[in-house]
Amino acid sequence: GAGVSQSPSNKVTEKGKDVELRCDPISGHTALYWYRQRLGQGLEFLIYFQGNSAPDKSGLPSDRFSAERTGESVSTLTIQRTQQEDSAVYLCASSLTLAEQYFGPGTRLTVT
Amino acid sequence: GIQVEQSPPDLILQEGANSTLRCNFSDSVNNLQWFHQNPWGQLINLFYIPSGTKQNGRLSATTVATERYSLLYISSSQTTDSGVYFCAVLTDSWGKLQFGAGTQVVVTP
Repeated sequence: GAGVSQSPSNKVTEKGKDVELRCDPISGHTALYWYRQRLGQGLEFLIYFQGNSAPDKSGLPSDRFSAERTGESVSTLTIQRTQQEDSAVYLCASSLTLAEQYFGPGTRLTVT
Repeated sequence: GIQVEQSPPDLILQEGANSTLRCNFSDSVNNLQWFHQNPWGQLINLFYIPSGTKQNGRLSATTVATERYSLLYISSSQTTDSGVYFCAVLTDSWGKLQFGAGTQVVVTP
């Protein structure tokens, strides 16, 4: 079946602009996660959704970052007033609750 | 929070060689996953292994949860095995994964 999809695959934006990143999880997966990967580093957790509620937002780096999810479907991660340090690959994963996580291909964000 | 340490940080292999990658974690975990990140950045699931041993082709993994480590074995390595191997542990009731820093593997022909 279809895996996790993300769009856009690449995004170049000017400092100060807002961006929206989209994630379509595997159908039927109740849990959805956003992670960030800076160049040459491991993944850092941003936010977790169970259904459309977000019980764990502990990883969001600042109030410029927000996310929402529609039901058990698509999620969007919004970064307002982007800064150069926001440049990274943003990865989305989905799973059944507390089960194996499957990752999308990521969105490469470059802030100039 | 829990610490996840992977070793070695870098590994260069001749095609056909075998190798072992290690993942140590500082506290008990609910589960553990191994991933391969290919040169295009895609994370590929290798193993979902809270304990015991699993094998998938030339790859196998063993987790000894009581001693807080996991091993990933690559046998008869191929150039397509190149990339970064990540270990990630499930640390809480929400399912958040804590990743190690990865092992960069380069397999030369």
